[in-house]
Amino acid sequence: GAGVSQSPRYKVAKRGQDVALRCDPISGHVSLFWYQQALGQGPEFLTYFQNEAQLDKSGLPSDRFFAERPEGSVSTLKIQRTQQEDSAVYLCASRDRLLSNSPLHFGNGTRLTVT
Amino acid sequence: ILNVEQSPQSLHVQEGDSTNFTCSFPSSNFYALHWYRWETAKSPEALFVMTLNGDEKKKGRISATLNTKEGYSYLYIKGSQPEDSATYLCAFSTNAGKSTFGDGTTLTVKP
Repeated sequence: GAGVSQSPRYKVAKRGQDVALRCDPISGHVSLFWYQQALGQGPEFLTYFQNEAQLDKSGLPSDRFFAERPEGSVSTLKIQRTQQEDSAVYLCASRDRLLSNSPLHFGNGTRLTVT
Repeated sequence: ILNVEQSPQSLHVQEGDSTNFTCSFPSSNFYALHWYRWETAKSPEALFVMTLNGDEKKKGRISATLNTKEGYSYLYIKGSQPEDSATYLCAFSTNAGKSTFGDGTTLTVKP
């Protein structure tokens, strides 16, 4: 079956531009997570949703970052006025339940480069 | 802030060697410990989810153990093959739902 799909795969933005990253989770998965992964480090938590409710956004680095999942399926991570430090791989993952005793299913990520 | 540490950071072994690496995590508020394998140009793939102290899981040549009282998990690979080359991530979860990842151990298996 279809896995988690992220688009675009690569994005180059000039500093100051706004970007939108899309995640299509596995159908029926209630939980959706966004992670940011810098080179040489593990994924850092940004935010997560249960259906359309954003339960935790404590990992968003600044108010330039905004995520939504209006219908409890597709999610968009938006970064306004991008800065060079935003360059990273943005990973989306979904899970069939909220509780963490089942694994996350990851997309291939979006590699964002801010020039 | 939850601290999840993995060691070593990288490992180079010869084909056929057995190897292991460590994930350390907080011993309080434990709910689950996950291991993932992340191959270059692919997405992280779940290996194991472990929830009980003393859990041991096995998948082919790869196995993992869990000690929640002292806050560590070991991942073992027996008879490493070049296709085992990847970054191995562990993730610690409380019952709040989100997972905190370590920085990973990057394994390179030379033929």
